[in-house]
Amino acid sequence: AQRVTQPEKLLSVFKGAPVELKCNYSYSGSPELFWYVQYSRQRLQLLLRHISRESIKGFTADLNKGETSFHLKKPFAQEEDSAMYYCALSTFQKLVFGTGTRLLVSP
Amino acid sequence: NAGVTQTPKFQVLKTGQSMTLQCAQDMNHNSMYWYRQDPGMGLRLIYYSASEGTTDKGEVPNGYNVSRLNKREFSLRLESAAPSQTSVYFCATDPGQGADEQFFGPGTRLTVL
Repeated sequence: AQRVTQPEKLLSVFKGAPVELKCNYSYSGSPELFWYVQYSRQRLQLLLRHISRESIKGFTADLNKGETSFHLKKPFAQEEDSAMYYCALSTFQKLVFGTGTRLLVSP
Repeated sequence: NAGVTQTPKFQVLKTGQSMTLQCAQDMNHNSMYWYRQDPGMGLRLIYYSASEGTTDKGEVPNGYNVSRLNKREFSLRLESAAPSQTSVYFCATDPGQGADEQFFGPGTRLTVL
Protein backbone atom coordinates (compact mmCIF):
# COMPACT_ATOMS: atom_id res chain seq x y z
CA ALA A 1 0.00 0.00 0.00
CA GLN A 2 1.12 3.53 -0.67
CA ARG A 3 2.00 5.44 2.44
CA VAL A 4 3.78 8.65 3.40
CA THR A 5 5.22 9.06 6.87
CA GLN A 6 6.23 12.35 8.46
CA PRO A 7 7.47 11.39 11.91
CA GLU A 8 7.59 14.88 13.43
CA LYS A 9 4.38 16.73 14.24
CA LEU A 10 6.26 19.84 15.31
CA LEU A 11 9.74 21.10 14.55
CA SER A 12 10.86 24.18 16.41
CA VAL A 13 14.11 25.96 15.47
CA PHE A 14 15.71 29.36 15.86
CA LYS A 15 16.17 31.74 12.96
CA GLY A 16 19.35 30.94 11.06
CA ALA A 17 19.45 27.31 12.14
CA PRO A 18 19.38 24.47 9.59
CA VAL A 19 16.09 22.71 9.06
CA GLU A 20 15.31 19.17 7.94
CA LEU A 21 11.73 17.97 7.69
CA LYS A 22 11.62 14.21 7.32
CA CYS A 23 9.50 12.27 4.86
CA ASN A 24 9.55 8.55 4.16
CA TYR A 25 7.36 6.77 1.66
CA SER A 26 6.20 3.28 0.82
CA TYR A 27 5.52 2.63 -2.85
CA SER A 28 6.33 -0.26 -5.14
CA GLY A 29 6.57 1.77 -8.32
CA SER A 30 8.66 4.74 -9.40
CA PRO A 31 7.64 7.51 -7.01
CA GLU A 32 6.61 11.05 -7.85
CA LEU A 33 7.03 13.11 -4.69
CA PHE A 34 6.04 16.61 -3.67
CA TRP A 35 6.26 19.02 -0.78
CA TYR A 36 3.24 21.23 -0.17
CA VAL A 37 3.16 24.14 2.28
CA GLN A 38 0.34 25.91 4.08
CA TYR A 39 1.16 29.31 5.57
CA SER A 40 -1.11 30.78 8.19
CA ARG A 41 -4.47 31.83 6.70
CA GLN A 42 -3.38 30.80 3.22
CA ARG A 43 -4.34 27.90 1.04
CA LEU A 44 -2.18 24.85 0.53
CA GLN A 45 0.33 25.32 -2.29
CA LEU A 46 3.08 23.39 -3.98
CA LEU A 47 6.55 24.11 -2.64
CA LEU A 48 8.58 21.77 -4.79
CA ARG A 49 8.55 18.44 -6.61
CA HIS A 50 11.39 16.00 -6.94
CA ILE A 51 11.36 15.79 -10.73
CA SER A 52 12.12 19.49 -11.11
CA ARG A 53 15.17 19.26 -8.83
CA GLU A 54 14.98 22.98 -8.08
CA SER A 55 15.39 25.08 -4.96
CA ILE A 56 12.36 27.09 -3.89
CA LYS A 57 12.67 29.72 -1.15
CA GLY A 58 16.00 28.11 -0.24
CA PHE A 59 14.44 24.67 0.29
CA THR A 60 15.68 21.55 -1.45
CA ALA A 61 14.63 17.93 -1.31
CA ASP A 62 16.45 14.92 -2.69
CA LEU A 63 14.79 11.64 -3.46
CA ASN A 64 16.69 8.74 -1.90
CA LYS A 65 15.22 5.55 -3.33
CA GLY A 66 17.46 3.35 -1.20
CA GLU A 67 16.16 4.87 2.02
CA THR A 68 12.72 5.64 0.49
CA SER A 69 13.04 9.19 1.76
CA PHE A 70 12.37 12.69 0.45
CA HIS A 71 13.52 14.97 3.26
CA LEU A 72 13.07 18.74 2.94
CA LYS A 73 16.08 20.83 3.88
CA LYS A 74 17.03 24.45 4.27
CA PRO A 75 20.43 25.59 5.53
CA PHE A 76 19.25 28.76 7.30
CA ALA A 77 15.65 28.97 8.50
CA GLN A 78 13.75 32.27 8.36
CA GLU A 79 10.78 33.33 10.46
CA GLU A 80 8.61 33.45 7.34
CA ASP A 81 9.23 29.72 6.87
CA SER A 82 6.91 29.01 9.79
CA ALA A 83 4.09 26.94 8.28
CA MET A 84 2.60 23.48 7.95
CA TYR A 85 4.50 21.25 5.54
CA TYR A 86 3.07 18.17 3.87
CA CYS A 87 4.94 15.54 1.93
CA ALA A 88 2.87 13.87 -0.80
CA LEU A 89 3.20 10.88 -3.11
CA SER A 90 1.49 10.76 -6.49
CA THR A 91 -0.13 7.40 -7.28
CA PHE A 92 -2.59 6.66 -10.07
CA GLN A 93 -3.40 10.36 -10.51
CA LYS A 94 -4.08 10.80 -6.82
CA LEU A 95 -1.99 12.29 -4.06
CA VAL A 96 -1.34 10.51 -0.78
CA PHE A 97 -0.38 13.00 1.91
CA GLY A 98 1.61 12.56 5.06
CA THR A 99 0.25 13.82 8.36
CA GLY A 100 2.24 17.03 8.13
CA THR A 101 4.95 18.75 10.15
CA ARG A 102 4.47 22.17 11.67
CA LEU A 103 7.66 24.20 11.42
CA LEU A 104 8.03 27.00 13.93
CA VAL A 105 10.96 29.37 13.44
CA SER A 106 11.61 31.63 16.41
CA PRO A 107 13.58 34.89 16.32
CA ASN B 1 -8.94 34.41 -12.59
CA ALA B 2 -10.28 33.20 -9.27
CA GLY B 3 -8.59 29.78 -9.49
CA VAL B 4 -10.39 27.42 -7.12
CA THR B 5 -13.26 28.78 -5.05
CA GLN B 6 -15.25 27.12 -2.28
CA THR B 7 -18.49 28.04 -0.57
CA PRO B 8 -19.30 28.44 2.21
CA LYS B 9 -16.19 29.43 4.20
CA PHE B 10 -17.72 28.37 7.52
CA GLN B 11 -20.71 26.26 8.49
CA VAL B 12 -22.19 24.93 11.70
CA LEU B 13 -24.62 22.03 11.50
CA LYS B 14 -26.56 19.97 13.96
CA THR B 15 -26.23 16.20 13.90
CA GLY B 16 -28.47 14.78 11.20
CA GLN B 17 -28.67 17.92 9.08
CA SER B 18 -27.59 17.86 5.46
CA MET B 19 -25.58 20.30 3.41
CA THR B 20 -23.63 20.65 0.19
CA LEU B 21 -20.18 22.14 -0.12
CA GLN B 22 -19.55 23.79 -3.46
CA CYS B 23 -16.31 23.95 -5.41
CA ALA B 24 -15.68 25.70 -8.71
CA GLN B 25 -12.57 26.19 -10.81
CA ASP B 26 -11.82 28.39 -13.78
CA MET B 27 -8.51 26.72 -14.67
CA ASN B 28 -10.00 24.38 -17.29
CA HIS B 29 -8.67 21.41 -15.32
CA ASN B 30 -9.98 17.91 -15.85
CA SER B 31 -9.48 16.46 -12.36
CA MET B 32 -11.05 17.62 -9.13
CA TYR B 33 -10.69 16.37 -5.56
CA TRP B 34 -12.25 16.68 -2.13
CA TYR B 35 -10.07 16.30 0.97
CA ARG B 36 -10.65 16.65 4.66
CA GLN B 37 -7.94 17.98 6.96
CA ASP B 38 -7.88 16.89 10.58
CA PRO B 39 -5.21 17.55 13.22
CA GLY B 40 -2.66 14.76 13.27
CA MET B 41 -4.25 13.06 10.25
CA GLY B 42 -3.04 15.25 7.43
CA LEU B 43 -5.15 15.51 4.29
CA ARG B 44 -7.27 12.53 3.40
CA LEU B 45 -8.97 12.07 0.06
CA ILE B 46 -12.74 11.73 0.24
CA TYR B 47 -13.73 11.55 -3.43
CA TYR B 48 -12.22 12.57 -6.71
CA SER B 49 -13.28 13.10 -10.30
CA ALA B 50 -10.66 12.31 -12.91
CA SER B 51 -12.75 13.94 -15.62
CA GLU B 52 -16.20 15.34 -16.24
CA GLY B 53 -18.79 12.60 -15.79
CA THR B 54 -16.70 10.34 -13.57
CA THR B 55 -16.31 10.11 -9.81
CA ASP B 56 -14.43 7.67 -7.59
CA LYS B 57 -14.06 6.98 -3.92
CA GLY B 58 -10.97 8.02 -2.07
CA GLU B 59 -9.65 6.94 1.30
CA VAL B 60 -12.57 8.13 3.47
CA PRO B 61 -15.79 8.26 1.39
CA ASN B 62 -18.30 7.01 4.00
CA GLY B 63 -20.97 9.56 4.83
CA TYR B 64 -20.36 11.65 1.71
CA ASN B 65 -21.60 11.89 -1.85
CA VAL B 66 -20.29 13.95 -4.74
CA SER B 67 -21.52 15.36 -8.02
CA ARG B 68 -19.38 16.52 -10.91
CA LEU B 69 -21.93 18.93 -12.27
CA ASN B 70 -19.79 20.01 -15.23
CA LYS B 71 -16.11 20.55 -15.91
CA ARG B 72 -15.98 23.55 -13.57
CA GLU B 73 -17.97 22.36 -10.56
CA PHE B 74 -17.59 19.51 -8.07
CA SER B 75 -19.86 19.42 -5.02
CA LEU B 76 -19.62 17.40 -1.82
CA ARG B 77 -22.79 16.46 0.04
CA LEU B 78 -23.26 15.35 3.60
CA GLU B 79 -26.68 13.69 3.77
CA SER B 80 -26.82 13.27 7.55
CA ALA B 81 -24.01 15.10 9.28
CA ALA B 82 -22.22 13.51 12.23
CA PRO B 83 -19.81 15.08 14.76
CA SER B 84 -17.03 12.93 13.25
CA GLN B 85 -17.39 15.01 10.09
CA THR B 86 -16.26 18.15 11.87
CA SER B 87 -13.24 19.11 9.80
CA VAL B 88 -11.77 21.52 7.29
CA TYR B 89 -12.69 20.52 3.75
CA PHE B 90 -10.51 21.37 0.79
CA CYS B 91 -11.26 21.15 -2.89
CA ALA B 92 -8.37 20.81 -5.33
CA THR B 93 -7.87 20.53 -9.07
CA ASP B 94 -5.18 19.52 -11.54
CA PRO B 95 -4.95 19.15 -15.32
CA GLY B 96 -5.39 15.37 -15.02
CA GLN B 97 -2.25 14.30 -16.82
CA GLY B 98 -0.64 12.40 -13.98
CA ALA B 99 1.75 13.64 -11.26
CA ASP B 100 0.49 17.19 -11.74
CA GLU B 101 0.61 20.03 -9.27
CA GLN B 102 -2.71 20.29 -7.48
CA PHE B 103 -4.28 23.70 -6.87
CA PHE B 104 -6.27 24.09 -3.69
CA GLY B 105 -9.26 26.13 -2.66
CA PRO B 106 -9.34 28.19 0.54
CA GLY B 107 -11.21 25.54 2.51
CA THR B 108 -14.53 25.21 4.33
CA ARG B 109 -14.50 24.89 8.11
CA LEU B 110 -17.40 22.67 9.14
CA THR B 111 -18.53 22.05 12.70
CA VAL B 112 -21.16 19.43 13.46
CA LEU B 113 -22.71 19.72 16.90
